[in-house]
Amino acid sequence: DGGITQSPKYLFRKEGQNVTLSCEQNLNHDAMYWYRQDPGQGLRLIYYSQIVNDFQKGDIAEGYSVSREKKESFPLTVTSAQKNPTAFYLCASTGGNYGYTFGSGTRLTVV
Amino acid sequence: GENVEQHPSTLSVQEGDSAVIKCTYSDSASNYFPWYKQELGKRPQLIIDIRSNVGEKKDQRIAVTLNKTAKHFSLHITETQPEDSAVYFCAALTDSWGKFQFGAGTQVVVTP
Repeated sequence: DGGITQSPKYLFRKEGQNVTLSCEQNLNHDAMYWYRQDPGQGLRLIYYSQIVNDFQKGDIAEGYSVSREKKESFPLTVTSAQKNPTAFYLCASTGGNYGYTFGSGTRLTVV
Repeated sequence: GENVEQHPSTLSVQEGDSAVIKCTYSDSASNYFPWYKQELGKRPQLIIDIRSNVGEKKDQRIAVTLNKTAKHFSLHITETQPEDSAVYFCAALTDSWGKFQFGAGTQVVVTP
């Protein structure tokens, strides 16, 4: 779907549980990003990666972790240390022409 | 770091009227400014962008203007239609890693 796929679309997390959000792209893009979106707010950067096996913290990395073992994949783990994880999570990638391609998002809810 | 401010936060217009959204940025090194449209529950979609060596760009009913001296850029939508109703985000490219700083978004409502 647009070359970048996020799954699942909806995810429910219990208190104290770690959950992993998937992001896969077949655009051959080098750079990938994770953003969090809360109602009425803009996009806040969690983590980003420009190359395989390397990633950097964004503005709100606490309570999250990522890996970049393959160029196509950039999964995000929401750990139990993230106290307010309910949000809409967007993955994006870019191939150097500056424009982002976004995935369709994962809506995470704590139950 | 870069800071992007976006105004207004909500904008209600009559169908057929024009809508203007303004953004200001702080980092004079920023050189690329995209605009995204996000419909409810969906992904942001790039609708238009402008680079720092251009002052204005137009694509049918939408246009973007950039004033580098004043460090602000604006989105203009003419002849608005109900399907233009969405949240619009501006962004500024902050560094060579491809990181963008996003504005907080503008909820546009076009009433028939």
